[in-house]
Amino acid sequence: ETGVTQSPTHLIKTRGQQVTLRCSSQSGHNTVSWYQQALGQGPQFIFQYYREEENGRGNFPPRFSGLQFPNYSSELNVNALELDDSALYLCASSQSGQRHNEQFFGPGTRLTVL
Amino acid sequence: GENVEQHPSTLSVQEGDSAVIKCTYSDSASNYFPWYKQELGKRPQLIIDIRSNVGEKKDQRIAVTLNKTAKHFSLHITETQPEDSAVYFCAASGDSNYQLIWGAGTKLIIKP
Repeated sequence: ETGVTQSPTHLIKTRGQQVTLRCSSQSGHNTVSWYQQALGQGPQFIFQYYREEENGRGNFPPRFSGLQFPNYSSELNVNALELDDSALYLCASSQSGQRHNEQFFGPGTRLTVL
Repeated sequence: GENVEQHPSTLSVQEGDSAVIKCTYSDSASNYFPWYKQELGKRPQLIIDIRSNVGEKKDQRIAVTLNKTAKHFSLHITETQPEDSAVYFCAASGDSNYQLIWGAGTKLIIKP
């Protein structure tokens, strides 16, 4: 059984640019959630994908978008980057229907916007 | 929507003593309450969780209690050790909404 992986590990972008972050879910999991964790704060829910469709969204603007693929891996896209987007982006996978709430986290992608 | 408050923000205890971290939630529909430990620069790791049909759960030195009526839950760590030093987060979610809503975190410092 493989764990949750994310790529890249670190990323530096400038204001106005676009970024794509990737997440591979844990084997056997069909649900991926994305979180933004600013320095010194708790993770904030961005959105969740279940069977390739968005299944809930937090208080984030439309320039945050995502995808889930048939193999349940997922992408987070952020357009028109702002300085405040600098954070650790975490994805978590879970298995809906079987103790579905348990989420297992990847190592995160550290995004810095200059 | 759900709101989770966590206290204290920092907790310093002597090695060997107990530590208690408390959280309150607002949405009575929430039914799942995990606790995560996050060491500096690392991913959050689930350490214990509790569901709303249970009032208490224990795993070795760690226990969680849930009071559904008062809408609060607590993490108890006994016989604290240096490796318990980390930031601890509580969270809540429900069946109709799989979002995990997180507390702001508690930095636990174990003094030798």
